[in-house]
Amino acid sequence: QVQLKETGPGLVQPTQTLSITCTVSGFSLTSYYMQWVRQTPGKGLEWMGFIRSGGSTEYNSEFKSRLSISRDTSKNQVFLKMNSLKTEDTGVYYCASYGGYVDYWGQGVMVTVSS
Amino acid sequence: DVVMTQTPPSLSVAIGQSVSISCKSSQSLVYSDGKTYLHWLLQSSGRSPKRLIYQVSNLDSGVPDRFSGTGSQKDFTLKISRVEAKDLGVYYCAQTTHFPPTFGGGTKLELK
Repeated sequence: QVQLKETGPGLVQPTQTLSITCTVSGFSLTSYYMQWVRQTPGKGLEWMGFIRSGGSTEYNSEFKSRLSISRDTSKNQVFLKMNSLKTEDTGVYYCASYGGYVDYWGQGVMVTVSS
Repeated sequence: DVVMTQTPPSLSVAIGQSVSISCKSSQSLVYSDGKTYLHWLLQSSGRSPKRLIYQVSNLDSGVPDRFSGTGSQKDFTLKISRVEAKDLGVYYCAQTTHFPPTFGGGTKLELK
């Protein structure tokens, strides 16, 4: 059974760094691209970036300077790190598979950026 | 970035009725391989988005054939026949032809 679960801090202070982990089960990260999508009150659904099955990454230029996506295939985990957080980064962050004939999404993790 | 414009922003429907949602892109969504990477997703209340249709008209596994997608180039439509209560939520179109992938603003389907 396929499952994706995001875990993260919930509350982050402005200017600090956000770290979220997506733990997957039921499929291998070496077979799928994995993306991060966020949903904010201001901009709705935004594609942030992905990590290919081979491990290379692509980022939305909107986030490129402060976003990093990585993975640990031995633990079946994908990571998002974004620095210099602002209040506008408040929203729900989702990991999901990207492309292909199947579509898997995590439940999302709510992140509030506030002092 | 490719702008995806959905209309209407909201729809009120009675159970059993049929509805259509429009999605227009600012550029053609035909990729160099000849395929069109336009997809439809549904986000039910409090849930994560779930893809229903990929590449314009292909239903994801488990999606009932009451859902259908049509269109080409820059103009696409999602049709839902015989709406059921479980179909309620926000529908999004999304394109992955051009980088970066982008989403429409959503169409909220509500009960009349």
